[in-house]
Amino acid sequence: KAGVTQTPRYLIKTRGQQVTLSCSPISGHRSVSWYQQTPGQGLQFLFEYFSETQRNKGNFPGRFSGRQFSNSRSEMNVSTLELGDSALYLCASSLGGKENQPQHFGDGTRLSIL
Amino acid sequence: AQSVAQPEDQVNVAEGNPLTVKCTYSVSGNPYPFWYVQYPNRGLQFLLKYITGDNLVKGSYGFEAEFNKSQTSFHLKKPSALVSDSALYFCAVSAPYASKIIFGSGTRLSIRP
Repeated sequence: KAGVTQTPRYLIKTRGQQVTLSCSPISGHRSVSWYQQTPGQGLQFLFEYFSETQRNKGNFPGRFSGRQFSNSRSEMNVSTLELGDSALYLCASSLGGKENQPQHFGDGTRLSIL
Repeated sequence: AQSVAQPEDQVNVAEGNPLTVKCTYSVSGNPYPFWYVQYPNRGLQFLLKYITGDNLVKGSYGFEAEFNKSQTSFHLKKPSALVSDSALYFCAVSAPYASKIIFGSGTRLSIRP
């Protein structure tokens, strides 16, 4: 079974631009969550989608948005990029039905803002 | 506020010695704790999860975790550490009915030869 795939792996942007990151979950997984990981702030939850609906949201500004398609693939968009948005963005998928189901992570997209 | 605490930023252990990485949490209801490991330039990898009724849970790569309901802890253990165990370890807790997983700040485990 293929794992969670995130594209691209690396991305360099400049301040003010926007970016879209993609995540393909494990086949059959309906829940997709996004996280931002930085050395200073650790792992921070962005949002979770389940069956194309945003089910949970972290404390990030509206510049961060996401969506999920009918095939469970998800995209995350960040507009008006700031230097502080430089981070590793991780996507995780799970079956989504019960609390004790583990999340399976992709290897992330490393976003650098110049 | 619901939270997961990993009190040690770094744990240093000699190869062959037992290791413990601590995790305590404050989450209402009957939460489910997990452990994940992260190697450099990789995503998080699931290690093990609490199973209802089991106070000692066995997971991947010889790791196990000790669940203590009264202390709301889920400490990660391994009887004999390997240099290849050096990585960043995250404790996470699933909040029941909230469809949300809360992660700790991570503990860097360093195993010296």
